[in-house]
Amino acid sequence: GDSVTQMEGPVTLSEEAFLTINCTYTATGYPSLFWYVQYPGEGLQLLLKATKADDKGSNKGFEATYRKETTSFHLEKGSVQVSDSAVYFCALSEQTGANNLFFGTGTRLTVIP
Amino acid sequence: EAGVAQSPRYKIIEKRQSVAFWCNPISGHATLYWYQQILGQGPKLLIQFQNNGVVDDSQLPKDRFSAERLKGVDSTLKIQPAKLEDSAVYLCASRLAGGRNEQFFGPGTRLTVL
Repeated sequence: GDSVTQMEGPVTLSEEAFLTINCTYTATGYPSLFWYVQYPGEGLQLLLKATKADDKGSNKGFEATYRKETTSFHLEKGSVQVSDSAVYFCALSEQTGANNLFFGTGTRLTVIP
Repeated sequence: EAGVAQSPRYKIIEKRQSVAFWCNPISGHATLYWYQQILGQGPKLLIQFQNNGVVDDSQLPKDRFSAERLKGVDSTLKIQPAKLEDSAVYLCASRLAGGRNEQFFGPGTRLTVL
Protein backbone atom coordinates (compact mmCIF):
# COMPACT_ATOMS: atom_id res chain seq x y z
CA GLY A 1 0.00 0.00 0.00
CA ASP A 2 0.87 3.66 -0.13
CA SER A 3 3.14 5.04 2.57
CA VAL A 4 5.47 7.91 3.36
CA THR A 5 8.68 7.69 5.38
CA GLN A 6 9.90 10.93 6.80
CA MET A 7 13.07 11.98 8.56
CA GLU A 8 12.59 11.83 12.30
CA GLY A 9 13.00 14.91 14.39
CA PRO A 10 13.15 17.05 16.19
CA VAL A 11 15.45 19.28 14.19
CA THR A 12 16.99 22.34 15.78
CA LEU A 13 18.79 24.89 13.62
CA SER A 14 20.20 28.34 14.05
CA GLU A 15 18.67 31.17 12.07
CA GLU A 16 19.98 31.35 8.48
CA ALA A 17 21.09 27.70 8.49
CA PHE A 18 20.32 25.35 5.60
CA LEU A 19 17.41 22.96 6.07
CA THR A 20 16.83 19.52 4.60
CA ILE A 21 14.03 17.22 5.69
CA ASN A 22 14.10 13.87 3.94
CA CYS A 23 10.99 12.16 2.62
CA THR A 24 10.64 8.94 0.65
CA TYR A 25 7.47 7.28 -0.50
CA THR A 26 5.96 4.01 -1.64
CA ALA A 27 3.03 4.10 -4.01
CA THR A 28 1.31 1.76 -6.40
CA GLY A 29 0.64 4.39 -9.03
CA TYR A 30 1.91 7.86 -9.87
CA PRO A 31 1.09 10.00 -6.87
CA SER A 32 1.07 13.70 -6.28
CA LEU A 33 3.44 14.71 -3.48
CA PHE A 34 2.95 17.41 -0.86
CA TRP A 35 4.57 19.14 2.04
CA TYR A 36 2.20 20.43 4.70
CA VAL A 37 3.19 22.68 7.61
CA GLN A 38 1.55 22.96 11.01
CA TYR A 39 2.37 26.07 12.99
CA PRO A 40 1.74 26.00 16.75
CA GLY A 41 -1.97 26.12 17.52
CA GLU A 42 -2.98 26.12 13.87
CA GLY A 43 -4.28 23.64 11.33
CA LEU A 44 -2.30 21.99 8.56
CA GLN A 45 -1.46 24.25 5.63
CA LEU A 46 -0.26 23.21 2.23
CA LEU A 47 3.31 24.44 1.79
CA LEU A 48 4.07 23.10 -1.69
CA LYS A 49 3.26 20.30 -4.05
CA ALA A 50 4.42 18.47 -7.17
CA THR A 51 2.24 16.34 -9.39
CA LYS A 52 4.69 14.55 -11.67
CA ALA A 53 8.27 13.37 -11.87
CA ASP A 54 10.95 16.09 -11.96
CA ASP A 55 8.46 18.78 -10.95
CA LYS A 56 9.76 21.22 -8.37
CA GLY A 57 7.34 22.69 -5.87
CA SER A 58 8.32 25.93 -4.16
CA ASN A 59 6.83 28.40 -1.72
CA LYS A 60 8.14 30.85 0.91
CA GLY A 61 11.73 29.92 0.08
CA PHE A 62 11.09 26.18 0.51
CA GLU A 63 11.64 23.78 -2.38
CA ALA A 64 11.16 20.08 -3.06
CA THR A 65 11.73 18.09 -6.24
CA TYR A 66 9.73 15.00 -7.18
CA ARG A 67 12.37 12.30 -7.82
CA LYS A 68 10.75 9.20 -9.22
CA GLU A 69 14.01 7.28 -9.55
CA THR A 70 14.73 7.59 -5.83
CA THR A 71 11.04 7.87 -4.77
CA SER A 72 11.91 10.96 -2.81
CA PHE A 73 10.57 14.46 -2.19
CA HIS A 74 13.05 16.11 0.16
CA LEU A 75 12.21 19.55 1.56
CA GLU A 76 14.94 22.21 1.48
CA LYS A 77 15.37 25.85 2.43
CA GLY A 78 18.54 27.81 2.06
CA SER A 79 18.17 30.09 5.07
CA VAL A 80 15.65 29.33 7.80
CA GLN A 81 14.03 31.93 10.01
CA VAL A 82 12.62 31.72 13.52
CA SER A 83 9.14 31.99 11.98
CA ASP A 84 9.74 28.68 10.15
CA SER A 85 9.52 26.81 13.45
CA ALA A 86 6.71 24.31 12.95
CA VAL A 87 5.95 20.66 12.24
CA TYR A 88 6.41 19.61 8.61
CA PHE A 89 4.52 16.69 7.07
CA CYS A 90 5.30 14.95 3.82
CA ALA A 91 2.25 13.41 2.13
CA LEU A 92 1.14 11.70 -1.05
CA SER A 93 -2.11 11.32 -2.89
CA GLU A 94 -2.83 8.91 -5.68
CA GLN A 95 -4.08 10.73 -8.74
CA THR A 96 -6.95 8.33 -9.27
CA GLY A 97 -9.69 7.19 -6.99
CA ALA A 98 -10.55 9.01 -3.80
CA ASN A 99 -7.44 11.24 -3.73
CA ASN A 100 -6.88 10.50 -0.08
CA LEU A 101 -3.78 11.88 1.59
CA PHE A 102 -1.22 9.55 3.19
CA PHE A 103 1.01 11.39 5.66
CA GLY A 104 4.44 10.83 7.13
CA THR A 105 4.96 11.11 10.87
CA GLY A 106 6.02 14.74 10.78
CA THR A 107 9.27 16.51 11.61
CA ARG A 108 9.36 19.24 14.22
CA LEU A 109 11.67 22.10 13.30
CA THR A 110 12.84 24.63 15.86
CA VAL A 111 14.85 27.62 14.65
CA ILE A 112 16.76 29.52 17.31
CA PRO A 113 17.94 33.11 16.92
CA GLU B 1 -13.04 33.50 2.68
CA ALA B 2 -13.71 31.65 5.91
CA GLY B 3 -11.69 28.51 6.52
CA VAL B 4 -12.75 25.13 7.86
CA ALA B 5 -14.32 25.55 11.29
CA GLN B 6 -14.24 22.92 14.01
CA SER B 7 -15.59 22.76 17.52
CA PRO B 8 -14.86 22.23 20.27
CA ARG B 9 -11.13 22.91 20.17
CA TYR B 10 -10.48 20.80 23.26
CA LYS B 11 -12.39 18.05 25.01
CA ILE B 12 -11.56 15.94 28.02
CA ILE B 13 -13.71 12.92 28.83
CA GLU B 14 -13.46 9.69 30.76
CA LYS B 15 -13.28 6.34 29.05
CA ARG B 16 -16.61 4.83 28.08
CA GLN B 17 -18.17 8.27 27.73
CA SER B 18 -19.44 9.63 24.42
CA VAL B 19 -18.19 12.65 22.52
CA ALA B 20 -19.08 14.46 19.32
CA PHE B 21 -17.10 16.80 17.12
CA TRP B 22 -18.46 19.27 14.60
CA CYS B 23 -17.03 20.51 11.33
CA ASN B 24 -18.18 23.24 8.96
CA PRO B 25 -16.27 23.08 5.67
CA ILE B 26 -15.44 25.90 3.33
CA SER B 27 -18.51 27.01 1.43
CA GLY B 28 -18.94 25.12 -1.81
CA HIS B 29 -16.55 22.31 -0.92
CA ALA B 30 -18.31 19.07 -1.73
CA THR B 31 -15.64 16.76 -0.33
CA LEU B 32 -15.08 16.49 3.41
CA TYR B 33 -12.59 14.40 5.34
CA TRP B 34 -12.09 13.42 8.98
CA TYR B 35 -8.56 12.50 10.08
CA GLN B 36 -7.21 11.20 13.37
CA GLN B 37 -3.78 12.45 14.42
CA ILE B 38 -2.27 10.59 17.36
CA LEU B 39 0.59 12.37 19.12
CA GLY B 40 3.84 11.88 17.23
CA GLN B 41 2.15 10.49 14.12
CA GLY B 42 0.84 11.90 10.89
CA PRO B 43 -2.88 12.30 10.29
CA LYS B 44 -4.72 9.13 9.30
CA LEU B 45 -7.92 9.22 7.26
CA LEU B 46 -11.03 8.04 9.07
CA ILE B 47 -13.75 8.86 6.57
CA GLN B 48 -14.35 10.80 3.36
CA PHE B 49 -17.67 12.27 2.22
CA GLN B 50 -18.69 13.48 -1.19
CA ASN B 51 -21.67 15.75 -0.54
CA ASN B 52 -23.69 13.67 1.92
CA GLY B 53 -22.48 10.26 0.71
CA VAL B 54 -19.60 8.22 2.11
CA VAL B 55 -16.73 7.62 -0.33
CA ASP B 56 -14.30 5.81 1.96
CA ASP B 57 -14.78 4.69 5.55
CA SER B 58 -12.50 1.67 5.45
CA GLN B 59 -10.32 2.98 8.32
CA LEU B 60 -13.21 4.04 10.56
CA PRO B 61 -13.62 1.79 13.65
CA LYS B 62 -17.32 1.36 13.10
CA ASP B 63 -17.98 -0.39 16.38
CA ARG B 64 -17.45 2.91 18.19
CA PHE B 65 -17.04 5.69 15.63
CA SER B 66 -19.77 7.15 13.46
CA ALA B 67 -19.95 10.16 11.19
CA GLU B 68 -22.63 11.89 9.20
CA ARG B 69 -23.05 14.76 6.80
CA LEU B 70 -26.80 14.94 6.46
CA LYS B 71 -27.25 18.01 4.25
CA GLY B 72 -23.94 17.80 2.46
CA VAL B 73 -22.46 20.70 4.43
CA ASP B 74 -21.70 20.35 8.15
CA SER B 75 -20.48 17.07 9.53
CA THR B 76 -20.31 15.45 12.94
CA LEU B 77 -17.99 12.70 14.13
CA LYS B 78 -19.03 10.72 17.19
CA ILE B 79 -17.21 8.29 19.43
CA GLN B 80 -19.27 6.03 21.65
CA PRO B 81 -17.89 4.67 23.93
CA ALA B 82 -14.45 6.28 24.00
CA LYS B 83 -11.29 4.35 24.81
CA LEU B 84 -7.97 5.62 26.11
CA GLU B 85 -6.37 5.04 22.69
CA ASP B 86 -8.82 7.49 21.10
CA SER B 87 -6.85 10.37 22.61
CA ALA B 88 -5.78 12.33 19.56
CA VAL B 89 -6.40 15.43 17.50
CA TYR B 90 -9.34 15.05 15.13
CA LEU B 91 -8.88 17.06 11.97
CA CYS B 92 -11.51 18.00 9.45
CA ALA B 93 -10.57 18.97 5.91
CA SER B 94 -12.50 19.95 2.81
CA ARG B 95 -11.84 20.49 -0.86
CA LEU B 96 -13.62 21.21 -4.09
CA ALA B 97 -14.83 18.08 -5.82
CA GLY B 98 -12.83 16.56 -8.65
CA GLY B 99 -9.31 16.89 -9.93
CA ARG B 100 -6.32 17.43 -7.68
CA ASN B 101 -7.71 20.27 -5.62
CA GLU B 102 -5.98 21.09 -2.38
CA GLN B 103 -7.40 19.92 0.93
CA PHE B 104 -7.93 22.72 3.45
CA PHE B 105 -7.68 21.75 7.10
CA GLY B 106 -9.43 23.05 10.19
CA PRO B 107 -7.59 23.70 13.48
CA GLY B 108 -8.62 20.34 14.90
CA THR B 109 -10.21 19.12 18.13
CA ARG B 110 -7.82 17.78 20.74
CA LEU B 111 -9.48 14.89 22.61
CA THR B 112 -8.09 13.54 25.85
CA VAL B 113 -9.62 10.34 27.23
CA LEU B 114 -8.83 9.67 30.89
